[in-house]
Amino acid sequence: DTGVSQNPRHKITKRGQNVTFRCDPISEHNRLYWYRQTLGQGPEFLTYFQNEAQLEKSRLLSDRFSAERPKGSFSTLEIQRTEQGDSAMYLCASSLQRKEKLFFGSGTQLSVL
Amino acid sequence: DQQVKQNSPSLSVQEGRISILNCDYTNSMFDYFLWYKKYPAEGPTFLISISSIKDKNEDGRFTVFLNKSAKHLSLHIVPSQPGDSAVYFCAASAQAGKSTFGDGTTLTVKP
Repeated sequence: DTGVSQNPRHKITKRGQNVTFRCDPISEHNRLYWYRQTLGQGPEFLTYFQNEAQLEKSRLLSDRFSAERPKGSFSTLEIQRTEQGDSAMYLCASSLQRKEKLFFGSGTQLSVL
Repeated sequence: DQQVKQNSPSLSVQEGRISILNCDYTNSMFDYFLWYKKYPAEGPTFLISISSIKDKNEDGRFTVFLNKSAKHLSLHIVPSQPGDSAVYFCAASAQAGKSTFGDGTTLTVKP
């Protein structure tokens, strides 16, 4: 399977706990994006990387959120001190540089109790 | 401020008929537009796209039309099939940067 892989598929956590998600992009893609989607809404941009450089981060993104792509391959998204409002589907996507077409993973569904 | 809007949350059509999904945008800097299709429990998958230098792009049963003066694009599916039932997202990007998505339209194609 050479598609975008996200782990875990589901995560249930208690409010105040930290969570970390992982995304493995398509190997030849140097851009990697994180989006968040809630019910009835479209994917909302969080941040994106070109290789290991984080090029843009949403101004709406809380300081509790941090993303890394240390070697320009896989990426992690960490949420510290989770809140119930963080409950959502977290989508990862990858693309070739300067190509608009995104390839999405199946997402990580986060539930904060 | 939502820059990409899909004003119809849902659309129902009969199998074999045409489905028309609409999308409006406000940002004049957008130069590339895409449609994605999403099934439950899966990520969105790319369907078709169009550059701002064109007004039409066709791929099999799917055609996207772009009206830059009206800042409007539409996706036509002809003929519609039950397997087309899904959520369709319109997205736009500027200078090959991040994509901004609408909230989606749920299409139901009835046999």
